[in-house]
Amino acid sequence: NAGVMQNPRHLVRRRGQEARLRCSPMKGHSHVYWYRQLPEEGLKFMVYLQKENIIDESGMPKERFSAEFPKEGPSILRIQQVVRGDSAAYFCASSPPRDRPYNEQFFGPGTRLTVL
Amino acid sequence: AQTVTQSQPEMSVQEAETVTLSCTYDTSESNYYLFWYKQPPSRQMILVIRQEAYKQQNATENRFSVNFQKAAKSFSLKISDSQLGDTAMYFCASLTQGGSEKLVFGKGMKLTVNP
Repeated sequence: NAGVMQNPRHLVRRRGQEARLRCSPMKGHSHVYWYRQLPEEGLKFMVYLQKENIIDESGMPKERFSAEFPKEGPSILRIQQVVRGDSAAYFCASSPPRDRPYNEQFFGPGTRLTVL
Repeated sequence: AQTVTQSQPEMSVQEAETVTLSCTYDTSESNYYLFWYKQPPSRQMILVIRQEAYKQQNATENRFSVNFQKAAKSFSLKISDSQLGDTAMYFCASLTQGGSEKLVFGKGMKLTVNP
């Protein structure tokens, strides 16, 4: 059973460009979480999605950031008009339909975004 | 709101020795879970151990064990017989049952195991 896949692993963008980060959850998982890790910091929650629904986007910046998890295909985190402060590692985690008292999250390897 | 605090930014230990990493948290919820994650240089987040808040017994996974003090809101990780492969960043995290169940992480602590 393949783990959570993220691509690309490294992404370089110039200021003002768009960044698209992809996350393929584990097989059978229908929940996706996105987290951001700034240098020297812990991971910070951004958004929680289920198929075709955004459940909680309380950690998403109000502008330039969006996320989707379509019925078919990977989840996408999209950052428009990137700025240097967007440079960070972006992690995706997926969890299965609830089979425990909580949603256990399995992490992908992350995408490291560098904005020049 | 949940908060997780790791006050030690960095520690080092000799191979085969025991080391304890500290973590405190704050939550007003009654149903929550606590975790320790390891992040080696590859940056992959690896779950080390989890603790259910409703369980009094401290969790143990091989060389890893926790000291969960619920009243003090303290959740420390003990690594016994440290190995070179334990060198990594370690993050303490909490999750509240119900709602979106997002993980709240501390800032992390860099552990170096020396030969």
